[in-house]
Amino acid sequence: QKEVEQNSGPLSVPEGAIASLNCTYSDRGSQSFFWYRQYSGKSPELIMFIYSNGDKEDGRFTAQLNKASQYVSLLIRDSQPSDSATYLCAEGEGAQKLVFGQGTRLTINP
Amino acid sequence: DAGVIQSPRHEVTEMGQEVTLRCKPISGHDYLFWYRQTMMRGLELLIYFNNNVPIDDSGMPEDRFSAKMPNASFSTLKIQPSEPRDSAVYFCASSFGVSGELFFGEGSRLTVL
Repeated sequence: QKEVEQNSGPLSVPEGAIASLNCTYSDRGSQSFFWYRQYSGKSPELIMFIYSNGDKEDGRFTAQLNKASQYVSLLIRDSQPSDSATYLCAEGEGAQKLVFGQGTRLTINP
Repeated sequence: DAGVIQSPRHEVTEMGQEVTLRCKPISGHDYLFWYRQTMMRGLELLIYFNNNVPIDDSGMPEDRFSAKMPNASFSTLKIQPSEPRDSAVYFCASSFGVSGELFFGEGSRLTVL
């Protein structure tokens, strides 16, 4: 049974600071990792995916993958109040059978 | 494109009643997924289809749950009989290929009294 673990938070970060979200996964053979953002009362939306060890940057977002440690993280630079949401980490075989973590609730304080 | 369309948005029913949730995926997408989200268990995959064929239903809780996809533009998730523990938000999502980018509908919030 694949498992994805996240700290449920809440994580509180001042506006303009870096928010760091972390995720660990149980299946050493996992290849694909995804970060979804879910605003309160809304549906999840994909913000980043990463397949290879190392960093992947997209605007203010950086995903980091360390397969040896079975660890995925998401960094949000210059945090904005609009970044306040629950962030869901997921692993899977492409689009198939994504296994989601419980999510980390992030609050950006103005 | 209108995105993934789900109905109803909210459903309140009594224990023992039949519940049918509906989903229209994004046109051209070949994968369709049904997820359930609760505070306790998070987002769980119930079943997914590829080209209208059910591929994996191992997440379906029990025989009270069934899902169909009669054509590429429509899917249903049925619960019969419903129980209070089925109360959750049910999301339908679709994707094209195996990109990992799921497009979620707005969800159907089910409350079973």
